[in-house]
Amino acid sequence: EAGVVQSPRYKIIEKKQPVAFWCNPISGHNTLYWYLQNLGQGPELLIRYENEEAVDDSQLPKDRFSAERLKGVDSTLKIQPAELGDSAVYLCASSLQGGLSHEQYFGPGTRLTVT
Amino acid sequence: GQNIDQPTEMTATEGAIVQINCTYQTSGFNGLFWYQQHAGEAPTFLSYNVLDGLEEKGRFSSFLSRSKGYSYLLLKELQMKDSASYLCAVMGDSWGKLQFGAGTQVVVTP
Repeated sequence: EAGVVQSPRYKIIEKKQPVAFWCNPISGHNTLYWYLQNLGQGPELLIRYENEEAVDDSQLPKDRFSAERLKGVDSTLKIQPAELGDSAVYLCASSLQGGLSHEQYFGPGTRLTVT
Repeated sequence: GQNIDQPTEMTATEGAIVQINCTYQTSGFNGLFWYQQHAGEAPTFLSYNVLDGLEEKGRFSSFLSRSKGYSYLLLKELQMKDSASYLCAVMGDSWGKLQFGAGTQVVVTP
């Protein structure tokens, strides 16, 4: 079974430029999460989707961040414009709603460096 | 507010036992998770506790006391490959939403 797929794995951009990250969850997983992870810290939730609906985006900085999951499968997270402080690893995860534990499966992440 | 605390780093010798403690204060409780994360890799699921007591899974065990807001992850017969960050995460009152601690870096020495 394929895991959560993310691309690109690494991205270096200059500040004020836009950037987009893509995630394809595990087949059949209807819940998708985007997390931000700074060095030496745990992941912090940015947005959670149930199918195509964003059910929790309270931690998403909406002035510069946006996300979509149009067909309820893969998802894109965008930053425009990027700031130096956005340098971090962006993790995507998916889970099966109704599962006993809501275990989340993580992708390898996109490491963003803003210069 | 919500708070999850775990030690920053622990060092142990190959073959030994290490216990990683996690204390939490959250709004509501729907379970506690432990994840392992090797440097530059994705977090991988280790365990889930929602009732008090000990859950054993091979060399790894996880314990939960809801009344004390306390959990620990026990790693037995340590191997070099166990060197990683161990993340404690709590699902509070928002079903599906995990709050992570900062992680405990475990260093296994020969």
